[in-house]
Amino acid sequence: NAGVTQTPKFQVLKTGQSMTLQCAQDMNHNSMYWYRQDPGMGLRLIYYSASEGTTDKGEVPNGYNVSRLNKREFSLRLESAAPSQTSVYFCASSLRDNTEAFFGQGTRLTVV
Amino acid sequence: AQRVTQPEKLLSVFKGAPVELKCNYSYSGSPELFWYVQYSRQRLQLLLRHISRESIKGFTADLNKGETSFHLKKPFAQEEDSAMYYCALLKSGAGKSTFGDGTTLTVKP
Repeated sequence: NAGVTQTPKFQVLKTGQSMTLQCAQDMNHNSMYWYRQDPGMGLRLIYYSASEGTTDKGEVPNGYNVSRLNKREFSLRLESAAPSQTSVYFCASSLRDNTEAFFGQGTRLTVV
Repeated sequence: AQRVTQPEKLLSVFKGAPVELKCNYSYSGSPELFWYVQYSRQRLQLLLRHISRESIKGFTADLNKGETSFHLKKPFAQEEDSAMYYCALLKSGAGKSTFGDGTTLTVKP
């Protein structure tokens, strides 16, 4: 039972490069989320998708875009990476928007 | 807007000692509160939620609406409890949780 799977686990980008973080869940969950985790700042919500076909901005959406490709997949795109986007990114999903979240293992992104 | 505060970034106790991780929240409605835990090199996972009123791995947390707190407690800490703990608030109907900054608990032998 894979749960929430994120790829890649590690990535180094140069400033200005673009990339997409992939996330997939196999629990038939409706809601999916992208968070970033920075030292001393906890988890901050970037974007979320309450259900297939919908996406909404979270607390820190600037510099990111998302796509809810289908019920299983929710990708996060950095169009032009900046050093301030160096962080650990977590994808999560929940059955509904009022139930517990299940997290992926995280992607450690470094922008140089 | 809702807010979750975990006043201690770091907490260190000796094995067998009681431990309390503090969480305070601000929210005008009826919140749902959670504690998540992240062990070293593992993913974040749910520890407990207030509506279940369970004891998980010896941890309990009581929602105190008067003090707007949801502190996590364990009477006798174990070394394997060393981890990062996050308190989270889910606003009813909002669909997204607000997390505190986290507390790193270290249990020394």
